[in-house]
Amino acid sequence: AQSVTQPDIHITVSEGASLELRCNYSYGATPYLFWYVQSPGQGLQLLLKYFSGDTLVQGIKGFEAEFKRSQSSFNLRKPSVHWSDAAEYFCAVGLPLNQAGTALIFGKGTTLSVSS
Amino acid sequence: DAGVTQSPTHLIKTRGQQVTLRCSPKSGHDTVSWYQQALGQGPQFIFQYYEEEERQRGNFPDRFSGHQFPNYSSELNVNALLLGDSALYLCASSLGLSSGNTIYFGEGSWLTVV
Repeated sequence: AQSVTQPDIHITVSEGASLELRCNYSYGATPYLFWYVQSPGQGLQLLLKYFSGDTLVQGIKGFEAEFKRSQSSFNLRKPSVHWSDAAEYFCAVGLPLNQAGTALIFGKGTTLSVSS
Repeated sequence: DAGVTQSPTHLIKTRGQQVTLRCSPKSGHDTVSWYQQALGQGPQFIFQYYEEEERQRGNFPDRFSGHQFPNYSSELNVNALLLGDSALYLCASSLGLSSGNTIYFGEGSWLTVV
């Protein structure tokens, strides 16, 4: 069955330090992969997505992610974290539906705290 | 350009009652999906609507039903509410049924069942 695992429940990073959030997926075919961010009490904002092609994907707010098929991973990175990056981060795989369209399967999320 | 809008933002219901949540998709989008996000969990897919029909359904009971209107807006109905239905309900929209289309989310409706 398709699944997404985010091994880190909570990560604390110092402001200005680099960040890497891990994501592993289980899916039989080439997946569509997404990273979303959710601030407290808010909906989900798309950071970046991977459909095909270049395995290094650039997103908004200075984030990037690298798709590694051999490791079934899609880790999110940022070279220098800002206090405003503190939020919940969700990795998701897009599951094609029988009648077309996509359902997203989400991991349980990683909470990012930023210390000064 | 208005994004995905949902109403109400918060509501409290009693066990056994029924609730209706509403969603207007992003301008130009014709496909609406609903997700349930329990506290501390990732969102879970409930169902998807396209051309006013339910196209696909996740692992949710029949107490959860929906509707899509000709203007592409959508409603989520939950009958016979249980305490476990307390969650953030997220509406998501996209254009068409291509698996590669980007999915945009609203800010959600917080449902508390007491």
